[in-house]
Amino acid sequence: DVKVTQSSRYLVKRTGEKVFLECVQDMDHENMFWYRQDPGLGLRLIYFSYDVKMKEKGDIPEGYSVSREKKERFSLILESASTNQTSMYLCASSFEPIYEQYFGPGTRLTVT
Amino acid sequence: EDQVTQSPEALRLQEGESSSLNCSYTVSGLRGLFWYRQDPGKGPEFLFTLYSAGEEKEKERLKATLTKKESFLHITAPKPEDSATYLCAVQADGGSQGNLIFGKGTKLSVKP
Repeated sequence: DVKVTQSSRYLVKRTGEKVFLECVQDMDHENMFWYRQDPGLGLRLIYFSYDVKMKEKGDIPEGYSVSREKKERFSLILESASTNQTSMYLCASSFEPIYEQYFGPGTRLTVT
Repeated sequence: EDQVTQSPEALRLQEGESSSLNCSYTVSGLRGLFWYRQDPGKGPEFLFTLYSAGEEKEKERLKATLTKKESFLHITAPKPEDSATYLCAVQADGGSQGNLIFGKGTKLSVKP
């Protein structure tokens, strides 16, 4: 079974803090993704990576950066957290871009 | 603009009452269509991938079908444990590699 894990289920941070969200997959997938999910807006792609040290912007990259130093690990960084970044963050991975993506359990981030 | 629309937004069924969920899409060219199930507070769980019109996939009480403009998720004799939000996503030609466009989901409630 594909397993995607995320470092925290719940996280509370203060405005202006630097926040790191980590994601690890155990299936040797080339592609990894970060989404955020908000009521009424659905899932929106923030960044994705198709190889180590490679990254591409998704639909809403502003205020975020990513890091992929190892194939199995993909980190999302909020350089200076703001209240409008309060959301559910979901990591996913896939073997090929055209194949299905497998999601982690999500991190519910609250910025106060 | 590529777009995915799911209907209805919410559906209440009695246990054993079969029904269908709709996912209509407007894309320049379809690479693949994906169905996911999402339970509250959790990440989406992959169900099916469909690549071409006429294709069908089945798993237990669920059956997904695809035409050139829409996909249906048929639920036969549902049980309360089928209650969840069902998400549809498409990958389009010309889109960023691996980028999925998600619908907003159909929230299914099955009462005993």
